[in-house]
Amino acid sequence: AQSVSQHNHHVILSEAASLELGCNYSYGGTVNLFWYVQYPGQHLQLLLKYFSGDPLVKGIKGFEAEFIKSKFSFNLRKPSVQWSDTAEYFCAVIADRGGGSNYKLTFGKGTLLTVNP
Amino acid sequence: ETGVTQSPTHLIKTRGQQVTLRCSSQSGHNTVSWYQQALGQGPQFIFQYYREEENGRGNFPPRFSGLQFPNYSSELNVNALELDDSALYLCASSLSRGTYEQYFGPGTRLTVT
Repeated sequence: AQSVSQHNHHVILSEAASLELGCNYSYGGTVNLFWYVQYPGQHLQLLLKYFSGDPLVKGIKGFEAEFIKSKFSFNLRKPSVQWSDTAEYFCAVIADRGGGSNYKLTFGKGTLLTVNP
Repeated sequence: ETGVTQSPTHLIKTRGQQVTLRCSSQSGHNTVSWYQQALGQGPQFIFQYYREEENGRGNFPPRFSGLQFPNYSSELNVNALELDDSALYLCASSLSRGTYEQYFGPGTRLTVT
């Protein structure tokens, strides 16, 4: 079964600092990778996704992530964070078994990002 | 375009009781998934429904059951509630079972006392 590990439970940064949140998954086959964000009081929103092709994917609000297959990693980055980026970030994977059976998102435990003004 | 909606927002139940949570999928989506998010944890997959049939189930006991209706809305039923069932229950819809993007509702916060 697939699993997802997020390295940091809580990250505290000052505005304009650079951000990198680690995510590793365990599954030997084809995967589809996601980062979701949950702002305070709001529901989970898709930040970016990787299905295939260019391993560097860009999402909303200036976020990007790089898929490194050899390292089973999908780290999230942002060059300069803002106070409004304060939220909880979840890495998730769908193991692609094809035939409509690729149904289950497996999430990491999440990383709480606090950005101080 | 209407997003995923869930009801109720909050619910308090007593151990041993039964609860029904409801979800309306995003317009045009025929697949609904349910997740349980305990405090401090990521969401955990409960099951998925596609065109009124269960399309996969996570590691949850049979007292967690579901339904999907012809309009693709869905219910999650939990019998014999336990204290550990206290969590945020999330519903997510997707265009079809073969698509990967899932869109989440705001969740129902269930407290079992």
